[in-house]
Amino acid sequence: DIQMTQSPSTLSASVGDRVTITCRASQSISSWLAWYQQRPGKAPKLLIYKASSLESWVPSRFSGSGSGTEFTLIISSLQPDDFATYFCQQYHSYPLTFGGGTKVEIK
Amino acid sequence: QVHLVESGGGVVQPGRSLRLSCAASGFTFSSFAMHWVRQAPGKGLEWVTLISYDGSNKYYADSMRGRFTISRDDSKNTLYLQMNSLTPEDTAVYFCAREDDDYLDYWGQGTLVTVSS
Repeated sequence: DIQMTQSPSTLSASVGDRVTITCRASQSISSWLAWYQQRPGKAPKLLIYKASSLESWVPSRFSGSGSGTEFTLIISSLQPDDFATYFCQQYHSYPLTFGGGTKVEIK
Repeated sequence: QVHLVESGGGVVQPGRSLRLSCAASGFTFSSFAMHWVRQAPGKGLEWVTLISYDGSNKYYADSMRGRFTISRDDSKNTLYLQMNSLTPEDTAVYFCAREDDDYLDYWGQGTLVTVSS
């Protein structure tokens, strides 16, 4: 199974901050990586697919990059709506696997 | 508008069975592969199982294979998860999700399964 490791697990930031979340795969997954946002008690929402393609609803302050084993989610200027938990997920091979999540908290 | 609504969760004793349902609307259900993903309380996401758009292929996480069965009824636009021999470790919110090009583009709100005596 491909292991996905996210860091940090928790991140405290202020509105307007630039936020960077990293996801590492235990083997190359090319660009077969998705990012999801989950608010408490809610379903995950797809943010980014194929490592860098934004879903239509996603604001441009979000961006994704990387390929192979190293991936990054960046929020260029954190907004109140962005405080949530973010998960990466590989879909290179089964079983699908997720990172442990990064909780973005208000500083 | 894509809408997925899970149901069937509840409290069940260890060793018993439960069947979850996921009602789909707003898209051509029979054209999409569907997944179940679960999330234990306060924990991360764990993929459970996949069924292809036509039901001909099914994949399971190792820990669920042999106990869980995914199925679909395209006439009812409904996805199912039959869960047998449940253990406390199966306690989680179970989400159904639609697949688009191998990633999961829409998720339901989830249904909570609690396995406890």
